[in-house]
Amino acid sequence: SQQGEEDPQALSIQEGENATMNCSYKTSINNLQWYRQNSGRGLVHLILIRSNEREKHSGRLRVTLDTSKKSSSLLITASRAADTASYFCATDAGDTGTASKLTFGTGTRLQVTL
Amino acid sequence: DTGVSQDPRHKITKRGQNVTFRCDPISEHNRLYWYRQTLGQGPEFLTYFQNEAQLEKSRLLSDRFSAERPKGSFSTLEIQRTEQGDSAMYLCASSLTGTSSDTQYFGPGTRLTVL
Repeated sequence: SQQGEEDPQALSIQEGENATMNCSYKTSINNLQWYRQNSGRGLVHLILIRSNEREKHSGRLRVTLDTSKKSSSLLITASRAADTASYFCATDAGDTGTASKLTFGTGTRLQVTL
Repeated sequence: DTGVSQDPRHKITKRGQNVTFRCDPISEHNRLYWYRQTLGQGPEFLTYFQNEAQLEKSRLLSDRFSAERPKGSFSTLEIQRTEQGDSAMYLCASSLTGTSSDTQYFGPGTRLTVL
């Protein structure tokens, strides 16, 4: 079963704009990870944030985590056409250092137009 | 290329046939995971191994599914007597425990179509 949901389900923006996606989950977690998936292809790992962290940056990506609300957000700044993809959040409820199964959300389909 | 590899990339089979997929993890990664993804959905966990030991199986993994990792390196996932509902993308991932990373790295997937 899916752990949570991404919001919105679909997002269409113009190149150069920022894109924000939200993820909600249901249980306590060790970490939360964001993945990107281009149409019909494998998942690419973007960023991992641990339960004791509140914000993390990687290049044009900014992730926040609010464990009290069981939610996370992914911000992509200055979007590019190449960012067009589906984005999934995934939670790991295992112990630190012993990665266990990931439970994925339903995904946000991002379309970046020129 | 030192990433996770999967073979075949595509498989078309007739209902009732058996199929087997292979996954080669990143070298020295001790954990290996199988997920299944249907159209428009996020991946769902099937099973995972630490070295050669199968540590957890989802209830999604019916008796027709079996996974092995005999030498703690590559893994195979076999589906017996395939059904049309088995049509999906089968994803493999690997990770290295004992580090602070906990990141799972995914392969390109095997897309199964059951006619």
